[in-house]
Amino acid sequence: AQSVTQLDSQVPVFEEAPVELRCNYSSSVSVYLFWYVQYPNQGLQLLLKYLSGSTLVKGINGFEAEFNKSQTSFHLRKPSVHISDTAEYFCAVSDPTFNTGNQFYFGTGTSLTVIP
Amino acid sequence: DGGITQSPKYLFRKEGQNVTLSCEQNLNHDAMYWYRQDPGQGLRLIYYSQIVNDFQKGDIAEGYSVSREKKESFPLTVTSAQKNPTAFYLCASSITEKLFFGSGTQLSVL
Repeated sequence: AQSVTQLDSQVPVFEEAPVELRCNYSSSVSVYLFWYVQYPNQGLQLLLKYLSGSTLVKGINGFEAEFNKSQTSFHLRKPSVHISDTAEYFCAVSDPTFNTGNQFYFGTGTSLTVIP
Repeated sequence: DGGITQSPKYLFRKEGQNVTLSCEQNLNHDAMYWYRQDPGQGLRLIYYSQIVNDFQKGDIAEGYSVSREKKESFPLTVTSAQKNPTAFYLCASSITEKLFFGSGTQLSVL
């Protein structure tokens, strides 16, 4: 089974500062990689995904992530955060060889708090 | 609009009681999932179903049961055997690599 490690459980950052949320996964085979965002008492929304091709992936709300195969990492970045970015962020992996309905593996989440 | 509907949003369980969480989707997705979310533990897979009338245990299936009699419905029953049921429960469905979530049900014990 896959495992996903989010190295920081909480990340406080000042408004308009840059932020990086770290994610590492354990797999030597090809995987799909995702970042999701969760606002309080809501479901998860997809921020961005890497399936193949360019290692730099751009998502919604100004977020981007870089796939690094040699380091098995998929860190999420934003150059300038806003108060509205305060939320829980989850990194996830899925195995594209799953027959139907990929099984997804999630990290434990990083709580991003943007300080005014 | 297509999506996943979970109900109720809040649910309370008495000691020894079974409760059922509803999940309905109109996305025509074959695969559906139930996750449990506890603070600091991320999402843990309870059950998943790839097709009607078939479902598989996830990592923490003990104390839970599911059914998949219709493509659009995947209810989760939290049985009295689940001794620590207080959590946020998320239902999801997927097609290929796309995973869609409902808005969740918060279950608490009275």
